[in-house]
Amino acid sequence: DTGVSQDPRHKITKRGQNVTFRCDPISEHNRLYWYRQTLGQGPEFLTYFQNEAQLEKSRLLSDRFSAERPKGSFSTLEIQRTEQGDSAMYLCASSLGGAVRDQPQHFGDGTRLSIL
Amino acid sequence: AQSVAQPEDQVNVAEGNPLTVKCTYSVSGNPYLFWYVQYPNRGLQFLLKYITGDNLVKGSYGFEAEFNKSQTSFHLKKPSALVSDSALYFCAVRFTYNFNKFYFGSGTKLNVKP
Repeated sequence: DTGVSQDPRHKITKRGQNVTFRCDPISEHNRLYWYRQTLGQGPEFLTYFQNEAQLEKSRLLSDRFSAERPKGSFSTLEIQRTEQGDSAMYLCASSLGGAVRDQPQHFGDGTRLSIL
Repeated sequence: AQSVAQPEDQVNVAEGNPLTVKCTYSVSGNPYLFWYVQYPNRGLQFLLKYITGDNLVKGSYGFEAEFNKSQTSFHLKKPSALVSDSALYFCAVRFTYNFNKFYFGSGTKLNVKP
């Protein structure tokens, strides 16, 4: 079990640029989640995949945000035309799903996005 | 609205003393309850969970938590705090009607002083 890995750990970009983050979940986990965490707050749910299907999206996820999990393994989160308010830590988590409903989520160390 | 609350932004305790970090939830139905810890610039690490059964659950690093249905609380406890326990602690709730989502509290910063 190598854990959930996220890349990059830090991203600094200018307002208006596009950014893409990658998440590699624990290999046997079929569920993958994206969260956003701002300073002093708990993680806020953004979206969730079961295998390759994106099953739920938060209204926090504006049309500038898109997430994919093309083969049911790694996932990408893209933010287009970044804004100052997008500055945050973006966390990925994975878990077992299906009939196993009491499993905790395992988190990566996050990607910290700073918009200049 | 369904939610989880951590009423204390910060808890200060001396090393060796017992600690409590509070969590309450508001929900209809039976929640699944979790505690996570976060160290600076790291993701959240799972500590323990309550699903059903014994109201006192034991987790990692000597932590335990007590589920109280009448008070809708799930407080995190440790009999003897360590300086290395200093971190940010999050309570999370998962509701039986929607297993897709965790709802996290706003976090409590625990400071353990030597």
